[in-house]
This record gives sequence, C-alpha cells and structure tokens, in this order.
Amino acid sequence: QVQLQESGPGLVKPSETLSLTCTVSGGSISSYYWSWIRQPAGKGLEWIGRIYTSGSTNYNPSLKSRVTMSVDTSKNQFSLKLTSVTAADTAFYYCARELKEYYGSGVWHNWFDPWGQGTLVTVSS
Amino acid sequence: DIQMTQSPSSLSASVGDRVTITCRARQSIINHLNWYQQKPGKAPKLLIYAASSLQSGVPSRISGSGSGTDFTLTISSLQPEDFATYYCQQSYSTPRTFGQGTKVEIK
Repeated sequence: QVQLQESGPGLVKPSETLSLTCTVSGGSISSYYWSWIRQPAGKGLEWIGRIYTSGSTNYNPSLKSRVTMSVDTSKNQFSLKLTSVTAADTAFYYCARELKEYYGSGVWHNWFDPWGQGTLVTVSS
Repeated sequence: DIQMTQSPSSLSASVGDRVTITCRARQSIINHLNWYQQKPGKAPKLLIYAASSLQSGVPSRISGSGSGTDFTLTISSLQPEDFATYYCQQSYSTPRTFGQGTKVEIK
C-alpha cells in the first residue's frame, strides 16, 4: 500500500526557510493531490496547502505569502518550503495524499489518506 | 474559510459506553465531512469519509451521520483502543479546515 515519509531538518533558525520533502512509496505520485498539514504540540491540525502532480497548487491564505510547494514525479516526491519562519511555525509537519472519489451527479468527495508519520520541526536559534 | 467547531472538547467514558461527538460547520458543507482518529505520537487516521462512509478496516461500532452544518461521530460501544483524539474536517472548499479535536479519555 502507499506509504509517505517526511524528511528534512528538525531545527531551523528564526527568519530562515523550512524545507521538507515527502517521499511516496508503494504507488505512483501521479494523478493525486498531495497536502502538507501541521500540528503544534498539543494543539489542532492546520492545512498548509496542496499540490497536484501537474504542479497546480492551493495554499492556505493564512500562510500563502510564505509557502511554496513543488513536485518531482521522477523521484515520487513533493516538497514544502516555508520562508521567514518564527517560533509559531514550530510543529509536527505531516504530508498526506488527498483522495478524490466521484459519487455521481457532479459530486466529488475528498479525504486525506494515508498520512506520513510526521516530522517535528523546531524553530529556534 | 469554513470554521469547524467540535463538542465537547473532551469527555471521560468507560469501556462499553456509547459516545457521541458533534461537529458543526459555520455554513452548509452538504456532506463533505471526514473524521480522523489520532493517538499520541501518531499521525491521524481516517475513520469516516463523506460524512457516513466507513473507511476499510475501521470497526463497525464507529459510525458517522449528518448533513448541512451538523454532523455526528458515534462509537456504539467504546473499546480500550478507542481512547484517542478525534477530528472532523471539511472537504467542501479550500482551505481545508479541521475541528479543534475531541479527546476521549478513560473514566
């Protein structure tokens, strides 16, 4: 089955850029939306944005000015860059596939499955 | 953004209890609503999609219902492995948004 694995530095300095990569195994990255979701320790989930394998993106307006996502289909990977980080960006970062299924009459449903195990990124000098 | 509000934020229950968690959307999301379970130190796991469809492998004691703005996740007979935090999430529009979570603890 499809598995996702996040990778990247666990410590980033304030004002610098957070960079993470998600590697997809057990299946093709093609023809899906791929999302990044974060969770500060002990808090709730925040959707950062998503990228389609064509390169089309949707970002959360709250982070849009600082976020860039990219995809490398040859490596079955997609990536997140978050610039000008502060302590508020300290969180567990998850990658996830957004599945989409047609229910008829023009109705599509989407959900996140599977998720990566998550990686903790701490912003500190 | 579509705000999602869960209630209660936490609850204490015993094994065998029936547990109900509510999720309310600020506007109609029809039935574009998913539920996830998260255990400490783990990623969220999909339980229910499209408001009431049970994900493969999820036990049938877990069910979802609702439409429009009000949704419910029910565990008919709570088992030890069900103690966790539960999140609802709307997929009606972007940005995708989650409820704040409901922590189910052992009484």
